Amino acid sequence: NAGVMQNPRHLVRRRGQEARLRCSPMKGHSHVYWYRQLPEEGLKFMVYLQKENIIDESGMPKERFSAEFPKEGPSILRIQQVVRGDSAAYFCASSPRASGSTDTQYFGPGTRLTVL
Amino acid sequence: GEDVEQSLFLSVREGDSSVINCTYTDSSSTYLYWYKQEPGAGLQLLTYIFSNMDMKQDQRLTVLLNKKDKHLSLRIADTQTGDSAIYFCAEIRDDKIIFGKGTRLHILP
Repeated sequence: NAGVMQNPRHLVRRRGQEARLRCSPMKGHSHVYWYRQLPEEGLKFMVYLQKENIIDESGMPKERFSAEFPKEGPSILRIQQVVRGDSAAYFCASSPRASGSTDTQYFGPGTRLTVL
Repeated sequence: GEDVEQSLFLSVREGDSSVINCTYTDSSSTYLYWYKQEPGAGLQLLTYIFSNMDMKQDQRLTVLLNKKDKHLSLRIADTQTGDSAIYFCAEIRDDKIIFGKGTRLHILP
């Protein structure tokens, strides 16, 4: 059973370009979470999605950031018009049910975004 | 406050025990977690403890939970060089995992 998969592992963008980060949850998991880790910081929650629904986006910046989890295919975190401050590691996690239950979140290896 | 707090650095001699401490904020958190992150890698779930437990032991790892003081600790017995990593304490709050800033464990020869 493959773990959570993220690609690309490393992404370099120039200021003003778009970044697309992909996350494939573990098989059987229908809940996806995105976290951002700034240098020398812990992870901060961004958004929680189920298939075709955004459940909680309270951690998402109001502009330039969007996320989706379509019926088919991976979850996508999209950052438009990137700025240097977007440089960070972006981690995806998945769980089979909401994490208040006994099912915890399992993390992918992360995508390290560098904005030049 | 709203943050999960933990010390940023810990140095331990190889073979000694490491104890990493954490204070959390939400007394209603059902689960508390310890994650390990090695350089350039993702997060590995090390262990978790349910809020109605005081202690959980798993091989070299012992987790202690003091609900009254909202204090969580992770003890690593017989620390090895492979234990060198950042250890994150975390709590669950409204389906979100809230992380501390991580404790960087350095192993001395």
